[in-house]
Amino acid sequence: QQQVKQSPQSLIVQKGGISIINCAYENTAFDYFPWYQQFPGKGPALLIAIRPDVSEKKEGRFTISFNKSAKQFSLHIMDSQPGDSATYFCAASKDAGNMLTFGGGTRLMVKP
Amino acid sequence: DADVTQTPRNRITKTGKRIMLECSQTKGHDRMYWYRQDPGLGLRLIYYSFDVKDINKGEISDGYSVSRQAQAKFSLSLESAIPNQTALYFCATSDFTTYNEQFFGPGTRLTVL
Repeated sequence: QQQVKQSPQSLIVQKGGISIINCAYENTAFDYFPWYQQFPGKGPALLIAIRPDVSEKKEGRFTISFNKSAKQFSLHIMDSQPGDSATYFCAASKDAGNMLTFGGGTRLMVKP
Repeated sequence: DADVTQTPRNRITKTGKRIMLECSQTKGHDRMYWYRQDPGLGLRLIYYSFDVKDINKGEISDGYSVSRQAQAKFSLSLESAIPNQTALYFCATSDFTTYNEQFFGPGTRLTVL
């Protein structure tokens, strides 16, 4: 079973809009929650990450919101741009180790 | 990224054939990983290695084996390929000090007929 569930599977947003991708997890031992961005033909690359001691982390137009009690976290992309069109993966890790459990991915398309 | 390279980039093979995917890195990282990517399932960990003498099974190791030939090289083998192993395969590396940031190679697209 998937320990990290991601939704939606695909998302279409107009340029300038807000893109929101959600993830839910089961394992309360997870202590690190990164988001990876993948462009076609490339490997995923770390975009932004959060630890559960904070409820929000912002880097430029990208924000992670984290709800520990609900075991959910989400990625918000403000002022979405066509260059943001990519597949986004949430992930989770426990024990400060390097084993990542990934969500199923969201294919984002930002229309000009 | 050029720091993590994978060969071949594309491979078509037949059921029952043995195939090896290779990964090399110039980042100087100790930790290396093999994942497979399938639509809707994200990336799933096959094997990982925290140093040359350390090999560990991941979530979906059945049908796969690995070899860590050196700090910079980590190979994935399919002993007898089956169509179900058709997928995109990624190698990744990480450094203990960068707290879980993994650096991925460009991937190998494998098709098993």
